[in-house]
Amino acid sequence: QLVESGGGLVKPGGSLRLSCAASGFSFDSYTMHWVRQAPGKGLEWVSSISGGNTYVHYADSLNGRFTISRDNAKSSLYLQMNSLRAEDTAVYYCVREKTTVFEGWFDPWGQGTLVTVSS
Amino acid sequence: DIQMTQSPSSLSASVGDRVTITCQASQDISNYLNWYRQKPGKAPQLLIYAATDFEGGVPSRFSGSGSGTEFTFAISSLQPEDIATYFCQQYETRPYSFGQGTKLEI
Repeated sequence: QLVESGGGLVKPGGSLRLSCAASGFSFDSYTMHWVRQAPGKGLEWVSSISGGNTYVHYADSLNGRFTISRDNAKSSLYLQMNSLRAEDTAVYYCVREKTTVFEGWFDPWGQGTLVTVSS
Repeated sequence: DIQMTQSPSSLSASVGDRVTITCQASQDISNYLNWYRQKPGKAPQLLIYAATDFEGGVPSRFSGSGSGTEFTFAISSLQPEDIATYFCQQYETRPYSFGQGTKLEI
């Protein structure tokens, strides 16, 4: 199970930290992702982090504003979002890799947390 | 980056119809293609991975085919519970990318 929290309303230029609490599986064995969906729009992969914290990757569009991290002892995933813009408004999903072997198979997904960037 | 072009963007069909959705990749992605279903107000759910393989519990009326740059998702006999938006997604190269989605209505 994946449960996101930390979403809300923030002004342009502000910061927000999303959290995802994981349970029911060996958290440190899986690569984790953040995927977002703007209202009424499609899906956009945001970032990923390997199980051992060795590798992180980001969408180019973020321009270094977001930082993904994890605490395996707490089975938690985080997304620190800085310099937020209106176009970052979206539901942010915490997503696990389906397997520990292949990467890019997104399953399961959390219920999502809404981030709204507006003055 | 790999662009995924999905069509149609919306589709209206009747119960029992066969429906197909196509997804085109901007470059060869072999079979590194997944399909997801997103029911209204819910998170997406993986249905088909590696272009043709079923996720457990997925009804047999769903199928996927294709390789390279052209892929197809089909529902052989549309059911009312299939109302959803369907997305394709490539995982051949980061950044992973999705098609824009097909909203299926009955």
